[in-house]
Amino acid sequence: DVKVTQSSRYLVKRTGEKVFLECVQDMDHENMFWYRQDPGLGLRLIYFSYDVKMKEKGDIPEGYSVSREKKERFSLILESASTNQTSMYLCASTTQSYGYTFGSGTRLTVV
Amino acid sequence: SQQGEEDPQALSIQEGENATMNCSYKTSINNLQWYRQNSGRGLVHLILIRSNEREKHSGRLRVTLDTSKKSSSLLITASRAADTASYFCATVGKNTGNQFYFGTGTSLTVIP
Repeated sequence: DVKVTQSSRYLVKRTGEKVFLECVQDMDHENMFWYRQDPGLGLRLIYFSYDVKMKEKGDIPEGYSVSREKKERFSLILESASTNQTSMYLCASTTQSYGYTFGSGTRLTVV
Repeated sequence: SQQGEEDPQALSIQEGENATMNCSYKTSINNLQWYRQNSGRGLVHLILIRSNEREKHSGRLRVTLDTSKKSSSLLITASRAADTASYFCATVGKNTGNQFYFGTGTSLTVIP
């Protein structure tokens, strides 16, 4: 069964910490995405990647960076975590314009 | 913004009834997709309808697309308690590559 795996379901970090959220897919998909989901705001795109070592900013990239060193892995990095980055983070992958496959999400709390 | 908007924001029905959710968007699209999300979980792809299609079925799901009105509807027939979830539409624009734009979702509660 193909899937997208996010390394942590729940994470609690302190303000100012550097945080890594990992996402791995086993479908050989070219495209990978990071979204955050907040009540009343829906899903907002942070960053995406069309290929290894390629990255594109989404709608809300500030305070985040990404890394795609291998096709199957797309990492989201919070350089210096802040409380307004407390959110549900969702990783997804897709090939061309078909449906996304999402991971289960990581609920990050920054205290 | 190209973001889709679902309507209603929340819907509560009795088991066995049909549930209809609507989605409106603003720009030309390649396709529109519906997703389901159980509380605290990731999204699951339900169905995709392309811009040249008007209706599509999958099990108890029926999706329509009206590109002239820039709207879509998702109908769940004979609802079950297990259908309780949030439902999102996502659009893929003609000029935005593979970027998907999600709405804020419809929260469906099916009462047993």
